[in-house]
Amino acid sequence: NAGVMQNPRHLVRRRGQEARLRCSPMKGHSHVYWYRQLPEEGLKFMVYLQKENIIDESGMPKERFSAEFPKEGPSILRIQQVVRGDSAAYFCASSDLATVNYGYTFGSGTRLTVV
Amino acid sequence: ILNVEQSPQSLHVQEGDSTNFTCSFPSSNFYALHWYRWETAKSPEALFVMTLNGDEKKKGRISATLNTKEGYSYLYIKGSQPEDSATYLCASRVTSGTYKYIFGTGTRLKVLA
Repeated sequence: NAGVMQNPRHLVRRRGQEARLRCSPMKGHSHVYWYRQLPEEGLKFMVYLQKENIIDESGMPKERFSAEFPKEGPSILRIQQVVRGDSAAYFCASSDLATVNYGYTFGSGTRLTVV
Repeated sequence: ILNVEQSPQSLHVQEGDSTNFTCSFPSSNFYALHWYRWETAKSPEALFVMTLNGDEKKKGRISATLNTKEGYSYLYIKGSQPEDSATYLCASRVTSGTYKYIFGTGTRLKVLA
C-alpha cells in the first residue's frame, strides 16, 4: 500500500511559467491537504480538499494559486505565472475520516525553484 | 487565528542527555494535538496524537504530555541518541468542523555523538 505520492520531487520553472504539482493520496484516503514550507519557516496550511470539493482554502494566496481534487486522479496544486517568491517546498498530506485523528500521512514534497 | 508556537527553535544536546521542548497552542476550542518527527530529506511522520487533558503518550524513549487548560504540550526524549536528530513539529486542531491542523515552526534537535 503505497503512501502519499507527490511528483515531481523537484521542479524548476522560469518566472512567468506555470507549475503543476501532483499528489496521489494513500489508497482509501479522501481528504487531501497542501502545505507550503518557505525557506527557514515552518509548514503553512494552504488548502484542504475532499473529493471534488474545496473545503478550506483560507491559506491559499488569492491570485495565481488554485487546487483541485477530481473524482479520478491526483490532487493538483497549480501556480500560474510563478514568481521567485513561490520557490518553496510544497507538501501534500492525506487522511480519511477514520485516520484523521491518528495523524496525517505526508508525501515527500515537491521542491519548486523559480529562476 | 490559531497560532501554534514551539520552543526552543533549535537545540544541541550531547548523546545520552535527556531533553524536552514545548508546544503552545490556544486552549479555547481545543480538539487535538499531533506531534511529528521530521528527518532531513524525508517527510514528517506522526509520533503522537493527543486529545485529552492530562494525556501522556510514550513510544520508546520519547514521551509527550498534554495540558489543554493552559494550552501546552511537552515532548521529552530520554537518553538522546544521534538518530533522534530531527525537527519535531506539533500541530493543533480546533473544533471548528474543519480537519485542518495548524503547525508550529518546529524544534530542530541535533544530538552530538
